[in-house]
Amino acid sequence: KNQVEQSPQSLIILEGKNCTLQCNYTVSPFSNLRWYKQDTGRGPVSLTIMTFSENTKSNGRYTATLDADTKQSSLHITASQLSDSASYICVVSHDPNRDDKIIFGKGTRLHILP
Amino acid sequence: EPEVTQTPSHQVTQMGQEVILRCVPISNHLYFYWYRQILGQKVEFLVSFYNNEISEKSEIFDDQFSVERPDGSNFTLKIRSTKLEDSAMYFCASSEALRLTVTEAFFGQGTRLTVV
Repeated sequence: KNQVEQSPQSLIILEGKNCTLQCNYTVSPFSNLRWYKQDTGRGPVSLTIMTFSENTKSNGRYTATLDADTKQSSLHITASQLSDSASYICVVSHDPNRDDKIIFGKGTRLHILP
Repeated sequence: EPEVTQTPSHQVTQMGQEVILRCVPISNHLYFYWYRQILGQKVEFLVSFYNNEISEKSEIFDDQFSVERPDGSNFTLKIRSTKLEDSAMYFCASSEALRLTVTEAFFGQGTRLTVV
C-alpha cells in the first residue's frame, strides 16, 4: 500500500537551534518528493521538490535530502526562527502524469520557542 | 506577489444544503485543483481541472461534487447536498501548464466548511 509516514508527529525546539524532520515512504513507483510548509489556517507552500536522481536540495535555511534506495527523506532546518513554527508536510508522487497519484503525509508540527 | 485567493474563509451550512466554494487562481496558470483536509488529518486530493474539463478526480469526488470555471478568473467547487462528513478545510491550488506533480503549485489560504 502506498503510504507516507512522517516523524516526529510534533517537535518543540528553541529559536536558533537546528532540527531534522523525517519522511519514510512506501510509494512505488517513485516520481518525486516534495516538502511543504503549512502555517496554521493557511494553504501549503512548496519548499523543495526532488526527483529520483537528486540527493539533496536547499532552499535558504531548509535542506531536503532523499535516499531513494531506503525510501527516506529528511528536511533539515538550520538556525530556526519563530516564523518556522508550522506543519511540514512530505508529499510523494508515484505517477508524474496523474494528479491524483500523490500521497500526502500527515505532517510534523514544529513549534519554535523564543 | 501573485496568489490564489479563496472565499469565503469560513462557511457554515446546514446538512443537505448546497454550498459553493470560490477560488481565484493565479492569472496565468492553466491547471487548477481542489484539495480537502479534515481536521487533524492529511490533505487529500479531490480533483484537477484543465482546459475547462476535469483531468482527474479521486474517489472522494463523487456525484455530489462538481467544479466549474464560469468565467476567466473564478474556479468553483460545488457540493450539492452537504453531509456532516464534508466538514473540512478546502484548498484550491493552481499551477502553470504542467501537472502538479512536476511543477510548483500555489495554494490558497483555504475555506473552512462546517456542516451542522
